[in-house]
Amino acid sequence: QVQLQESGPGLVKPSQTLSLTCSVSGGSISSGDYYWGWIRQPPGTGLEWIGYIYSSGSTDYNPSLKSRVTISVDTSRNQFSVRLSSVTAADTAVFYCARFRGYSYGWIDYWGQGTLVTVSS
Amino acid sequence: DIQMTQSPSSLSASVGDRVTITCQASQDISNSLNWYQQKPGKAPKFLIYDASNLETGVPSRFSGSGSGTDFTFTISSLQPEDIATYYCQQYDNLPYTFGQGTKLEIK
Repeated sequence: QVQLQESGPGLVKPSQTLSLTCSVSGGSISSGDYYWGWIRQPPGTGLEWIGYIYSSGSTDYNPSLKSRVTISVDTSRNQFSVRLSSVTAADTAVFYCARFRGYSYGWIDYWGQGTLVTVSS
Repeated sequence: DIQMTQSPSSLSASVGDRVTITCQASQDISNSLNWYQQKPGKAPKFLIYDASNLETGVPSRFSGSGSGTDFTFTISSLQPEDIATYYCQQYDNLPYTFGQGTKLEIK
């Protein structure tokens, strides 16, 4: 059973960079046939796909965030990470890491529990 | 981006009722549609892929149908544990996009 766990600061100041890491257990990031990525959910609202990464390092990002987001992978630690720069209050959200599989890697079958990141001074 | 529109936004039903939620895509997405269930304070749970295929372990009272731009999610007999918000998601084109959600409550 694959498990994902997000970690990182719960409070980030405006204009700074948000940084989160997802640790994967119960399976290897390098095993193939999966992408690994991030989704966020502002309080009380819907879900937004941020982007994802393959074990080789190939990435795709949401164009709405592409200028500010970087997703990276560390296969030796079985972890992947997201960085979001120049944050504002609008970036306050629960951030989920997740596994993507299937046709177009569009099926989000495993999710972390989520971590709330608040942007405030 | 492909816009996904769910209706209704909220729904109240009784245990045992048949419940239907619709999802409309702003363009043809073939059958590239998933459904998720999210309970309060929890991560979404993957229920249905390719519009109509049940993920392993998901109860058979859940079902999905549709193709092109119009999709339907059905619970054949509502159970108390089904109280949640349900989301559709398209994966025909990047960026993947979600509907705004349908909050299901017990009457």
